[in-house]
Amino acid sequence: QKEVEQNSGPLSVPEGAIASLNCTYSDRVSQSFFWYRQYSGKSPELIMSIYSNGDKEDGRFTAQLNKASQYVSLLIRDSQPSDSATYLCADTPYGNNRLAFGKGNQVVVIP
Amino acid sequence: DAGITQSPRYKITETGRQVTLMCHQTWSHSYMFWYRQDLGHGLRLIYYSAAADITDKGEVPDGYVVSRSKTENFPLTLESATRSQTSVYFCASTLRINEKLFFGSGTQLSVL
Repeated sequence: QKEVEQNSGPLSVPEGAIASLNCTYSDRVSQSFFWYRQYSGKSPELIMSIYSNGDKEDGRFTAQLNKASQYVSLLIRDSQPSDSATYLCADTPYGNNRLAFGKGNQVVVIP
Repeated sequence: DAGITQSPRYKITETGRQVTLMCHQTWSHSYMFWYRQDLGHGLRLIYYSAAADITDKGEVPDGYVVSRSKTENFPLTLESATRSQTSVYFCASTLRINEKLFFGSGTQLSVL
């Protein structure tokens, strides 16, 4: 089993709508969780990090962490065409000096 | 501007040849990583390093060798390239494992 799972296929949302992405992780004691955005042909870049249960908001982005259910989600409010990218979920499995990534979810915002 | 640089940006090689991808960072970050990215697989960890002279295998280490004699450099060598190693390779670094990961621009490797 992969440590970080992102199972949803490509997500198409109309401009101005909310895009919702989900991620589950296997290590019950993972401590740190991240969402990276990757534009086509570019390197991933960090958009959100979250370390404790609950919600964390940064502009139009909200990350939600539920450690009991072992999932982390990302909401993109008022989606813009510039949000069209692949979003990668990642965590740091406890005791490991590394970052494990999910396969990513492609988001397409339709004007 | 200082940062993390990878070279070459593009590389075409033949099956069986040895290839070395270079990664250099100027921040004195402790942690460095090599990932490969393929369609349908996302980012998969090849090797990582927590400090100079400390390296460890990731998810897909077979066929690759790394070294880290200096904090700033983390080269990745394909000892005998195979077509299955055709991929985009990303190097990354961070000061602490629970902080932002900085990525290089990537190396697109084609093995013919």
